[in-house]
Amino acid sequence: GAVVSQHPSWVICKSGTSVKIECRSLDFQATTMFWYRQFPKQSLMLMATSNEGSKATYEQGVEKDKFLINHASLTLSTLTVTSAHPEDSSFYICSARDITSGWNEQFFGPGTRLTVL
Amino acid sequence: KNQVEQSPQSLIILEGKNCTLQCNYTVSPFSNLRWYKQDTGRGPVSLTIMTFSENTKSNGRYTATLDADTKQSSLHITASQLSDSASYICVVSGGTDKLIFGTGTRLQVFP
Repeated sequence: GAVVSQHPSWVICKSGTSVKIECRSLDFQATTMFWYRQFPKQSLMLMATSNEGSKATYEQGVEKDKFLINHASLTLSTLTVTSAHPEDSSFYICSARDITSGWNEQFFGPGTRLTVL
Repeated sequence: KNQVEQSPQSLIILEGKNCTLQCNYTVSPFSNLRWYKQDTGRGPVSLTIMTFSENTKSNGRYTATLDADTKQSSLHITASQLSDSASYICVVSGGTDKLIFGTGTRLQVFP
């Protein structure tokens, strides 16, 4: 089955620093990847849609200069949280769309827990 | 407004018992409905995917139903196990890349 990995699985950083999260599709090519954030006891909220080789599309209210997304290859997308602050602490989940799936199904990564001190 | 509502918000059952989770949606156009299981601190894992023409789909002890007329779906879990403790999320696709997520039902199975 389609597998999506994320690295790191958890990260703790100081306020003001930048953190990069990687999302990889391990056994399929993903022209489109999605980044979500999830606060405790809430559902996933889409942050941005990342298309390989082009600029990401951000959801309303998501600061593109703060959450930098790069999708340089068909198997890798990165999310960089710049100048992180405690309010950025959250669970970040990526998903990758398998275009060969008749459902255009999205496969989710295991998530990255970010804690900003 | 596209919405997906789930009930109950949380549920506690004893191991071995059955349970049913509900999902009501107002998403148009409708492409498919998915049920995901999300363990604490992990990403969602797909359980079932159904189009409007499918009434029921099973995946082991999980059986999902869909009534496209009333825009309701249910997820039935048979003979629950401790490992079923998780959040179950109903997600509707409107045919675009965007998925409409429900708020989930948090299930706890006790021995």
